[in-house]
Amino acid sequence: AQTVTQSQPEMSVQEAETVTLSCTYDTSENNYYLFWYKQPPSRQMILVIRQEAYKQQNATENRFSVNFQKAAKSFSLKISDSQLGDTAMYFCAFTGGTSYGKLTFGQGTILTVHP
Amino acid sequence: DTGVSQDPRHKITKRGQNVTFRCDPISEHNRLYWYRQTLGQGPEFLTYFQNEAQLEKSRLLSDRFSAERPKGSFSTLEIQRTEQGDSAMYLCASSSSSGGFGNTIYFGEGSWLTVV
Repeated sequence: AQTVTQSQPEMSVQEAETVTLSCTYDTSENNYYLFWYKQPPSRQMILVIRQEAYKQQNATENRFSVNFQKAAKSFSLKISDSQLGDTAMYFCAFTGGTSYGKLTFGQGTILTVHP
Repeated sequence: DTGVSQDPRHKITKRGQNVTFRCDPISEHNRLYWYRQTLGQGPEFLTYFQNEAQLEKSRLLSDRFSAERPKGSFSTLEIQRTEQGDSAMYLCASSSSSGGFGNTIYFGEGSWLTVV
């Protein structure tokens, strides 16, 4: 079974600064994807960024980038130039080749961006 | 494309009553998932459909829970004889199976259930 762990229940950052959210996972699968999802207060969860395990290059999406360390089973999210709209709960999630897309989520990190 | 829609968005029910939630996935998506999320926690997988076939059920899904997806379109999740521990947000999500297992899963806004 796969597990996903987010060890930071809450984080805060000043607007325009950079913040990094941590995630570790455990799996015996070789073929998998990792995701970061954002869930704003009272709004639906949306995908922030995705990383394929067999790709060595770290994924980036505008101000969002990941640091994927496969051997260490670590998958952190860096948010640059933080904006007030980034305030949300962030979930790290995993899906493996045998899971037909089913996601296993971490516990989440509440990120607050202060003006 | 109107996204994944869920109905009702909020439901308050008395313990012991039955409730049913409906999910309409993105129209071209053949995969549909139900998750449960309690306050401050990550979503937990409940069940999964590919087209009309229910291919997996979590052990979290007791006998009081049943899900259907007739004709492979919308889905319903019914909870019979509700208990206070059933209070949670029930999330529906959908995705396409074409192109592999890493496709983006799109979530609805969820259906909040409060059992009093």
